[in-house]
Amino acid sequence: QVQLVESGGGLVKPGGSLRLACEVSGFTFSDYYMSWIRQAPGKGLEWVSYISPGSESTYYADSVKGRFTISRDNAKKSLFLQMNSLRVEDMAAYYCATMTTTYYFEHWGQGTLVTVSS
Amino acid sequence: DIVMTQSPATLSVSPGERATLSCRASQSISGYLAWYQQKLGQAPRLLIYDTSNRATGIPARFSGSGSGTDFTLTISSLEPEDFAVYYCQQRSHWPPSFGQGTKLEIK
Repeated sequence: QVQLVESGGGLVKPGGSLRLACEVSGFTFSDYYMSWIRQAPGKGLEWVSYISPGSESTYYADSVKGRFTISRDNAKKSLFLQMNSLRVEDMAAYYCATMTTTYYFEHWGQGTLVTVSS
Repeated sequence: DIVMTQSPATLSVSPGERATLSCRASQSISGYLAWYQQKLGQAPRLLIYDTSNRATGIPARFSGSGSGTDFTLTISSLEPEDFAVYYCQQRSHWPPSFGQGTKLEIK
């Protein structure tokens, strides 16, 4: 069955960096658009970034543009999010998700928690 | 950016009864709206897309309706496993955006 497993979260100081990973199985990863979506503690969902199947296109929310970089390795069935210059407001659970060509989010991982605190 | 507003913030309903959740967009999004369910400690699950199409494996008691700016998710007869937080999401205008959620709790 479809599985997405995030890793790489943890505690980081403001201004620090973190790299999240998402390993997938159960579907043809290289056929899918992929996204990162985050959820601050007790808050709603915020789309962060997406990448096209062959990495030709990447898009970012204004709140992370210039600080975060999404990438993927289709051979390793993995999605990544490099997060630099982290801010307190970036603290959240980060989910990877498959994104349909109509920009809905069909399959989700369980999330990895990023804590930004001094 | 499109702002999605959900109401009420919390809805208390008894099992077996009908639940009606609302979502309003700050401008018209045609029918490009999805609904997600999130149980405590779990990832969201896609329920409905394009206003009224159920995702794979979603029971028929979940239905969606609406157009333009006003949308509704209806759960016809609540099962114990339906008590969760529900989010709407628009994909009509970039970037995709979510509502703040409605918590459906047991009355």
